[in-house]
Amino acid sequence: ETGVTQTPRHLVMGMTNKKSLKCEQHLGHNAMYWYKQSAKKPLELMFVYNFKEQTENNSVPSRFSPECPNSSHLFLHLHTLQPEDSALYLCASSQTGGTMNTEAFFGQGTRLTVV
Amino acid sequence: GESVGLHLPTLSVQEGDNSIINCAYSNSASDYFIWYKQESGKGPQFIIDIRSNMDKRQGQRVTVLLNKTVKHLSLQIAATQPGDSAVYFCAENYNTDKLIFGTGTRLQVFP
Repeated sequence: ETGVTQTPRHLVMGMTNKKSLKCEQHLGHNAMYWYKQSAKKPLELMFVYNFKEQTENNSVPSRFSPECPNSSHLFLHLHTLQPEDSALYLCASSQTGGTMNTEAFFGQGTRLTVV
Repeated sequence: GESVGLHLPTLSVQEGDNSIINCAYSNSASDYFIWYKQESGKGPQFIIDIRSNMDKRQGQRVTVLLNKTVKHLSLQIAATQPGDSAVYFCAENYNTDKLIFGTGTRLQVFP
């Protein structure tokens, strides 16, 4: 248990569906992240939120839409996905600020299959 | 984990031997480095970290070495155990909220 909880753990969706991934952290961290891990690529940073503000969008297609209502919750809204979007989506959180950043703590991930 | 489909470098060691996993990082401005372990079906787990003002840091059975001159990081695992079998990632940080991961190395421990 890392203090970062992701739901659901598994998700199968059609290309015309709309679904959302949820992440919650109980660590009091100010930064939250979405990463994509696929069979063809290593961990890819998708989005970064720091104090609820998006600070990084790593050229992610608009069919992925993040939302960070507060420092403890992060969502990834999915719509009209493609089969190649099937992957493990990992959420992480960390404490950042000044030069004393800390390690990121990861959730267990949501395994997404697009059919 | 998802890395199973990748052609990851693989290190095979016998139980009880020491393991050394290497990583080359990309940004000379990176000032914080982390090693993660990922077991099948789980998210990456923190192992050990090191800041750029150090060149060595030791934990329980693990040691991280940092060579900034050649942008190289290594993880040494002493007395490797079957439970150490996993994919190991190094990560670098050069902006306080951006952590970039390497491709990973698969460690296989055989009896």
